[in-house]
Amino acid sequence: RKEVEQDPGPFNVPEGATVAFNCTYSNSASQSFFWYRQDCRKEPKLLMSVYSSGNEDGRFTAQLNRASQYISLLIRDSKLSDSATYLCVVHNQAGTALIFGKGTTLSVSS
Amino acid sequence: EAGVVQSPRYKIIEKKQPVAFWCNPISGHNTLYWYRQNLGQGPELLIRYENEEAVDDSQLPKDRFSAERLKGVDSTLKIQPAELGDSAVYLCASSLPETNEKLFFGSGTQLSVL
Repeated sequence: RKEVEQDPGPFNVPEGATVAFNCTYSNSASQSFFWYRQDCRKEPKLLMSVYSSGNEDGRFTAQLNRASQYISLLIRDSKLSDSATYLCVVHNQAGTALIFGKGTTLSVSS
Repeated sequence: EAGVVQSPRYKIIEKKQPVAFWCNPISGHNTLYWYRQNLGQGPELLIRYENEEAVDDSQLPKDRFSAERLKGVDSTLKIQPAELGDSAVYLCASSLPETNEKLFFGSGTQLSVL
C-alpha cells in the first residue's frame, strides 16, 4: 500500500460547483497533514494544514479522520483560478520530511 | 524576499553524461530538501539537509546520485552517469527548522535524458 493515496482525477467542474477530494494514508503514526497546490509547470505551494478538529480557510475546508486514516479537502463555489493539482501531504514516521500523494487534478470551466 | 533559486531551469543531456543542479535556499532556512517529481506523480524526497549535514539520504540512489551542501547554504545535486529513467523535475525546497511542514519550493530543474 502506498503511503499516501489520492484519486488522480481529473475532476472537471463548472464555476460555482462544490468539489471534494479524498486522500488516505498508511502510517497511523503520522501526526501532521497538509494540502499543497501545484499549478501546471509550477512548484508546489502550501494551501493549508489539516487539523484534527477540521479547519476552514475561506472557500476551502479540510478534514481529518484519524481512525480511518483519511483526509479530505472541500472547495466551495469553485473559481476558474482553482484549476490546479491538489497534493495530499503527510509527515513521514519520523516527522522529518513530507510524503506527497500523486495529486488530484481539478479543472474548473466557465 | 527572494525565494528558493534553482538553476538551470531546463537541462537536456544524453544518457551516460553527468549533470548537476544547483539550489540557493531562502536566507535563514537551515533545512534544505531535494525532491524528484516524475510526470503525473507527487514529489519524492531524495535527501534532506540540516545545515551542512545530510540527515536523511535513505532515498538517494547512491550509485549514481550525490549531493553536497558544503557551507550549509547552497547545495548541488549531481547525477553521474545519467540514465533515461532519471528524466524528471528536480525540486529544491527549504524550511525553517521549527516549521518543517511549510516547505518553500524552487521552480525546479526539468531534466531530459535522451
